[in-house]
Amino acid sequence: AQSVTQPDIHITVSEGASLELRCNYSYGATPYLFWYVQSPGQGLQLLLKYFSGDTLVQGIKGFEAEFKRSQSSFNLRKPSVHWSDAAEYFCAVGPSYGGATNKLIFGTGTLLAVQP
Amino acid sequence: EPEVTQTPSHQVTQMGQEVILRCVPISNHLYFYWYRQILGQKVEFLVSFYNNEISEKSEIFDDQFSVERPDGSNFTLKIRSTKLEDSAMYFCASSDGQLQNQPQHFGDGTRLSIL
Repeated sequence: AQSVTQPDIHITVSEGASLELRCNYSYGATPYLFWYVQSPGQGLQLLLKYFSGDTLVQGIKGFEAEFKRSQSSFNLRKPSVHWSDAAEYFCAVGPSYGGATNKLIFGTGTLLAVQP
Repeated sequence: EPEVTQTPSHQVTQMGQEVILRCVPISNHLYFYWYRQILGQKVEFLVSFYNNEISEKSEIFDDQFSVERPDGSNFTLKIRSTKLEDSAMYFCASSDGQLQNQPQHFGDGTRLSIL
């Protein structure tokens, strides 16, 4: 069955430090991959997406993610974290082109805390 | 930037009562979705809707649930007889095309509390 794993439930980083949030997926083909961010009391905001092509994708707020087919991973990175990045981050997968479904499958999320 | 809007932001309902959650998708979008997130758990797909009919639903979406697009702008989720386990955050989403081409844009959610 399709699934998404985010191994880190909670991460704390210092402001200005680099960040990497892990995401692994299980899917029969190459899926479409997404990272969403949820700030307290807010909805899910799309950070970036991977459909095809260049495996390093750039998103909003200085985030990037790299798709590694051999590792079934799509890790999210940011070179220098700001206090406003404190939020919960969700990795999600969707079906590849031509799939019969269009639902998203989400990971359990990683809660990011930023220390001053 | 266009947004998906959801009302109310918080709904408190007695068990067994009917509840309707409302969503206004982005105006030119064609695909509509409901997801839910039980506290402390992952976001789960409930249903997708296209061309005035359900295109897919999960096993969670049983006979107690229904969706409707009553006019050109609103998209609603109705729970006929609420249960305690329906307490969750419910997210509406919309997309311009099928997932393969366009990502889903989410609203801020409605927190449903069943007493």
